[in-house]
Amino acid sequence: EIMMTQSPATLSVSPGERVTLSCRASQRFSNNLAWYQQKGGQPPRLLIYGATTRATGIPTRFSGSESGTDFTLTITSLQSEDFAVYYCQQYNNWPWTFGQGTKVEIK
Amino acid sequence: QVQLVQSGAEVRKPGASVKISCKTSGHTFTNYGIGWVRQAPGQGLEWIGWISDYNDNRQYAPRVQGRVTMTTDPSTNTVYLELRRLTADDTAVYYCANSHMVAGTGVFYYYGLDVWGQGTTVTVSS
Repeated sequence: EIMMTQSPATLSVSPGERVTLSCRASQRFSNNLAWYQQKGGQPPRLLIYGATTRATGIPTRFSGSESGTDFTLTITSLQSEDFAVYYCQQYNNWPWTFGQGTKVEIK
Repeated sequence: QVQLVQSGAEVRKPGASVKISCKTSGHTFTNYGIGWVRQAPGQGLEWIGWISDYNDNRQYAPRVQGRVTMTTDPSTNTVYLELRRLTADDTAVYYCANSHMVAGTGVFYYYGLDVWGQGTTVTVSS
């Protein structure tokens, strides 16, 4: 089973700042990684798939990158609606697995 | 567009079983599958399984293996999740989510879970 470790657990930022969220895999795999955003009481929303491809309708301020076993979600100029919990998920190997999430909160 | 509508909240006693439905609509082609993800109160997302009639594939997370069955009813475009021998640790919101698939040479390609149901709350309590 591939373990996904996200850091930090919580990030306190101000609107307009640039945010970088990290996700590290326990073993290397190709770019079968997704990022999701979840707000309270709602289902998750797909932001990024294939490690770097924005899902339909996702603003360009969201971008994904990968380097070896490290994956990064970057949000440039954080908007008020971006305060949420973010999860990474690998879908390269069964069982698919999620990271534990990073909460982005208002500073 | 693809939509997923789940059945309503359930309350069960420990040791009982529960069966949740996820009705799909809007698929133009059959190259998709449905994943199931749960979220315990105040906790993160946990992937619990996958089912696709496109390539006749079912996968279950080790933590629920042996207690879970996922099935489909093509006549109603409905996917089901049955979980048996429930414990308090199974208390969670259960989501179904869609992923489309593309067949390659001996492999299938997936594109993340792009459409989600609204969630079904399952409470296990004596």
